[in-house]
Amino acid sequence: DVKVTQSSRYLVKRTGEKVFLECVQDMDHENMFWYRQDPGLGLRLIYFSYDVKMKEKGDIPEGYSVSREKKERFSLILESASTNQTSMYLCASSLPITRGAFFGQGTRLTVV
Amino acid sequence: AQSVTQPDIHITVSEGASLELRCNYSYGATPYLFWYVQSPGQGLQLLLKYFSGDTLVQGIKGFEAEFKRSQSSFNLRKPSVHWSDAAEYFCAVGGQTGANNLFFGTGTRLTVIP
Repeated sequence: DVKVTQSSRYLVKRTGEKVFLECVQDMDHENMFWYRQDPGLGLRLIYFSYDVKMKEKGDIPEGYSVSREKKERFSLILESASTNQTSMYLCASSLPITRGAFFGQGTRLTVV
Repeated sequence: AQSVTQPDIHITVSEGASLELRCNYSYGATPYLFWYVQSPGQGLQLLLKYFSGDTLVQGIKGFEAEFKRSQSSFNLRKPSVHWSDAAEYFCAVGGQTGANNLFFGTGTRLTVIP
């Protein structure tokens, strides 16, 4: 089975901190995604990557950056955390999207 | 632009009753359509997908969905709901030429009463 692992289930950070969310997949997938999930808003795409060192902005990239130095790892970076970035963050990976994406367990981030 | 609408925010059904969750999409080409399920505190699990062929697709856990191009719909169904089906369900569309990502609806929360 495909496994997508997010490094933390729960995180609490202070306003202004630089925050790193890590995601690793073990199936050699070319595509990786970071979504943010908020009640009533569903999942919104922050960034995705279709190859090492390649990235594309999603719908809500402001305040975030990403890094993909190795195929299996995709990191989401909050440059200066703010309270409005308190949310559930979901990482996913896929082969061509026609096969569907596989999701990690999510990281619930609270910024205080 | 692509979009997905799930008109029902919350649905409550009795255990053993049938279920239909609605999904409408807006897309410029042949869509790739997906249903995902999310149990509380968990990530999303793929239930089923459609991108060509038979418009009635079978998925895991006894779910099925029917693609109706004329109605731009991809509704999820299950003939007899179990208490363990209580979760949030997301419809997604993807596959536009030049893109390689998914767009999700806002989700439908399913409550199952005994």
